[in-house]
Amino acid sequence: SQKIEQNSEALNIQEGKTATLTCNYTNYSPAYLQWYRQDPGRGPVFLLLIRENEKEKRKERLKVTFDTTLKQSLFHITASQPADSATYLCALLTGGGNKLTFGTGTQLKVEL
Amino acid sequence: AAGVIQSPRHLIKEKRETATLKCYPIPRHDTVYWYQQGPGQDPQFLISFYEKMQSDKGSIPDRFSAQQFSDYHSELNMSSLELGDSALYFCASSFARGQVEAFFGQGTRLTVV
Repeated sequence: SQKIEQNSEALNIQEGKTATLTCNYTNYSPAYLQWYRQDPGRGPVFLLLIRENEKEKRKERLKVTFDTTLKQSLFHITASQPADSATYLCALLTGGGNKLTFGTGTQLKVEL
Repeated sequence: AAGVIQSPRHLIKEKRETATLKCYPIPRHDTVYWYQQGPGQDPQFLISFYEKMQSDKGSIPDRFSAQQFSDYHSELNMSSLELGDSALYFCASSFARGQVEAFFGQGTRLTVV
């Protein structure tokens, strides 16, 4: 069956460290993968998109890698801040191309 | 910049009642998605529309239906409500021929009592 899995346990890190979140998928062949941030009670907010022919993408303190052989994406936040605390979701466009399916999400907490 | 507008923001209904949720996508976006999110869960895809035609379907109960109108706004109709339907319902829109990222509304919190 098709699955998109992320670290199920919450990730607690100290301010200033790099947070690394994992997204693994099975039985998909996505053309690209997206990462979103979600705060409690609010809708997900788009962060980054990486295409299948891109190994790495950066945006300010964010970096995403995409390994289509391993079927895995890593999401890094460098110099993390308490304001980065949120749930981070990876997502794939599947089905007929209009079904945006989310992973299970990882809750990140950055402590002072 | 215009965002995705959802209404109402909060809705309280009794079991077996009907609810209608509305979504106004970002102008010129051609794709609308609906999601259901229970407490502590990831958003579950319900249904999507591309250019006003139903495109993909997820785990949407038969009691729910949705449509997209000529002005591109969309409505999610939920009948015979059950306690388990209590959740946050999000609508999102995107431009399929562009960067394809989805922009989400603020959600409708439905409580069934």
